[in-house]
Amino acid sequence: QQQVKQSPQSLIVQKGGISIINCAYENTAFDYFPWYQQFPGKGPALLIAIRPDVSEKKEGRFTISFNKSAKQFSLHIMDSQPGDSATYFCAAISGGYNKLIFGAGTRLAVHP
Amino acid sequence: GAGVSQSPSNKVTEKGKDVELRCDPISGHTALYWYRQSLGQGLEFLIYFQGNSAPDKSGLPSDRFSAERTGGSVSTLTIQRTQQEDSAVYLCASSPQGQAPTYGYTFGSGTRLTVV
Repeated sequence: QQQVKQSPQSLIVQKGGISIINCAYENTAFDYFPWYQQFPGKGPALLIAIRPDVSEKKEGRFTISFNKSAKQFSLHIMDSQPGDSATYFCAAISGGYNKLIFGAGTRLAVHP
Repeated sequence: GAGVSQSPSNKVTEKGKDVELRCDPISGHTALYWYRQSLGQGLEFLIYFQGNSAPDKSGLPSDRFSAERTGGSVSTLTIQRTQQEDSAVYLCASSPQGQAPTYGYTFGSGTRLTVV
């Protein structure tokens, strides 16, 4: 019930293309869904986050789409750039748990 | 400090030895978390501190693992009698308060532990 399932495991996109990463959860108590970006040798860094009372949140080239009924959310990276090449983690938390539950991660490679 | 600081950044140890990993959180952050990231894997929760107390240590994989936090600041994760399967990157994160996930976590760069 506390799992967050993430797909795909790896993704290759051409420069300028759209990168899409999907996550699904079971626990309806989750009320905050952040995405983290991790570069090699660094810790994950918060990229963008959404609460379930909205269906979409956009920050620059990054958009989260949220489907509460399907218990799914996704990250879209528009106009993908080589500098976006990193590992992306979705996560979920609820106030009663005090800890983020992470997906397994997606390794994104953007080719020039 | 400006960020979460972890030391050492790399540690190679022989199987059976004990190791201590240190985390220095952002000043004023009351919540502190330890996660483990195995090669190519996601982040596995180990333990959560609120102040000096650990209300959730459910992720510690065995009794060889322990952690403490002193002065509401620095935390040490200790692994006794290390095994090869303990090889991983150990990440520490802090946040202003455990009940406010909107602040997000700030992660350190991790300690890469290799058990040979």
